[in-house]
This record gives sequence, C-alpha cells and structure tokens, in this order.
Amino acid sequence: QVQLVESGGGVVQPGGSLRLSCAASGFTFSSYGMHWVRQAPGKGLEWVTFISDDGNSKWYANSAKGRFIISRDDSRSTVYLQMNSLRPEDAAVYYCAKDLAGHYIFDYWGQGTLVTVSS
Amino acid sequence: QSALTQPASVSESPGQSITISCTGTSSDVGAYNYVSWYQQHPGKAPKLMIYDVSNRPSGVSNRFSGSKSGNTASLTISGLQAEDEADYYCTSYTSSNTWVFGGGTKLTVL
Repeated sequence: QVQLVESGGGVVQPGGSLRLSCAASGFTFSSYGMHWVRQAPGKGLEWVTFISDDGNSKWYANSAKGRFIISRDDSRSTVYLQMNSLRPEDAAVYYCAKDLAGHYIFDYWGQGTLVTVSS
Repeated sequence: QSALTQPASVSESPGQSITISCTGTSSDVGAYNYVSWYQQHPGKAPKLMIYDVSNRPSGVSNRFSGSKSGNTASLTISGLQAEDEADYYCTSYTSSNTWVFGGGTKLTVL
C-alpha cells in the first residue's frame, strides 16, 4: 500500500532554514509527481509546491517562490522541501502528497510534520 | 492565487443530505475539470473523496457525489452519518500551474 512518511520538522528561528523529507513506498516513485501542502494551526490547507515525475517541472505558490526549493531523489524514493528565510507565517503542518498522474490531484497524503517558526 | 470560496460551516441531521459549494474563477474551477474534494478529520491527514469533479476513488462511499456548473463546484453527501462529520476542502488546478484550495467547510452532523 502507498505510504508517505514526512520528517525534518521542528522549531526554527525566523530567518532560519529547515529541510523536510518525505519517504515514499508502495508505488513506483519515479513515475509520479509529488506535492507539498501545508496547514497552519487551526487554518485551512495551502498548496506549496509540486515536482514532476522527471524532476524537470517545479511549480511554487507565490508564498514559497524564491525561498523554498523542492527536489527529489528517485534512488531513495524521497522528495525534499528546502525552506529558507523562514517567517512566522510559515509555521504549519507540512504534508507531502502523491500526484495522480493526468488528474492534477493529491491522491495519497502523509501524516505531516510540524514546523514551528519562533524566536 | 485567491482561495476558492466555501461556506464556513454546514449542519444537518443524520440521514439527510447536504451540499457544499466551492466557487472559483474562469482561471481555475471554470477552466478545468480538475476539481477535487478532501475530507479531514481532526488531527488526521486529508483524504481524497472526489476527483475530476465527479469521480469517486475506490473505497469511497457512493453517498458522496460531485458536480460543477461554470465557476462553481459542489459536493453532495446523502444519507448523512455521524462519521461524515469533518472538514471538507475543495481544490482546483489553475491556469498558472498552481493549485488553489477552498477555505474549508466544517460539517456538523446534528
């Protein structure tokens, strides 16, 4: 069965950096695009970024552009989110989600990792 | 990248039906049939309930259905059950190669 396990969350000071990881299993990782979606405490879902199956297309929400970088390592079946210049408003649970090819949706989600931005 | 518009909350009795609307623009909901709906229980990850406007993934009850007219998509849940009480989010792919979510609707089963 499909499993997505995020890690790397924690407490970081404003202006700091953090790298999140999402380890995938149960499907052919290299054949699917992957997303990061976040949810601030008590708030709704916000799409953050997407990477295509071949890694050549990377799309970002305006809130992430210029600060966040998505990447993937197919040999490790892992997608990463490098977050730089973190702001208090970036505090959220970050979910990775698998893209359903051809349908532009998130068909499987991980359990999320919590990022806290505070001094 | 403005959020899609959903009602903040809906409530109904068990056995009844509800419909949650999701209004976007001609650049997202109105432009593509890539509207999907997610159910989220407290403290849990979202779960895909409807994709491509009206398709149900395997394992999702046929009490859940979706539709779209113009810039507005809708999720209907019939025969409400206590376990349906959750937050529901719509999302759409957009013409800017991004995705936009609705603000979420809290469903209360009275």
